Amino acid sequence: NAGVTQTPKFQVLKTGQSMTLQCAQDMNHEYMSWYRQDPGMGLRLIHYSVGAGITDQGEVPNGYNVSRSTTEDFPLRLLSAAPSQTSVYFCASSYLSLHSSGANVLTFGAGSRLTVL
Amino acid sequence: DAKTTQPPSMDCAEGRAANLPCNHSTISGNEYVYWYRQIHSQGPQYIIHGLKNNETNEMASLIITEDRKSSTLILPHATLRDTAVYYCIVRVRDTGNQFYFGTGTSLTVIP
Repeated sequence: NAGVTQTPKFQVLKTGQSMTLQCAQDMNHEYMSWYRQDPGMGLRLIHYSVGAGITDQGEVPNGYNVSRSTTEDFPLRLLSAAPSQTSVYFCASSYLSLHSSGANVLTFGAGSRLTVL
Repeated sequence: DAKTTQPPSMDCAEGRAANLPCNHSTISGNEYVYWYRQIHSQGPQYIIHGLKNNETNEMASLIITEDRKSSTLILPHATLRDTAVYYCIVRVRDTGNQFYFGTGTSLTVIP
């Protein structure tokens, strides 16, 4: 059981380049989300999805696109990378329906460290 | 949106209890309090959650005040491996599973 898998772990881009951060989960979670974490700061929600074909914006969506064609995958796309997007990116997933305890628990990936020069 | 306030940093002696406070004065009636921690640069890890009653699991205990405006995460016997950033989160009501993380409390366990 792999949980949440993020690739690549490290990436260096030049300003203006595009790339996709991959996120896959094998837990049949309906909910998936992307966060970014800058030095000395907490995690900020970028985009999230409550199921295949459904996505929505979080706190800091500008400069990022997402899609959800399958339950398992939730890629994050940077169309034209900027130095301000240098960060560590985390993908997280959970069940959507409430657990019997009335709460939901996010499972996080190991992170993808992106540097934009 | 319910917000949380945590001290930026705390120290705790190894083997002693670590008590991490969190204020959430605008919490709504059906919102749960969650605690996560992030060790170094790893992905955050779920610790515990609660609604009204105190909760305990193999990792920690969660004490929620009767008015639900604050809570305390207790690590009963802190070890060096508990050094991490601890996040207290209140799930935003009526917005599904979105979790909004603040800057958390950086706990350092001292030998």
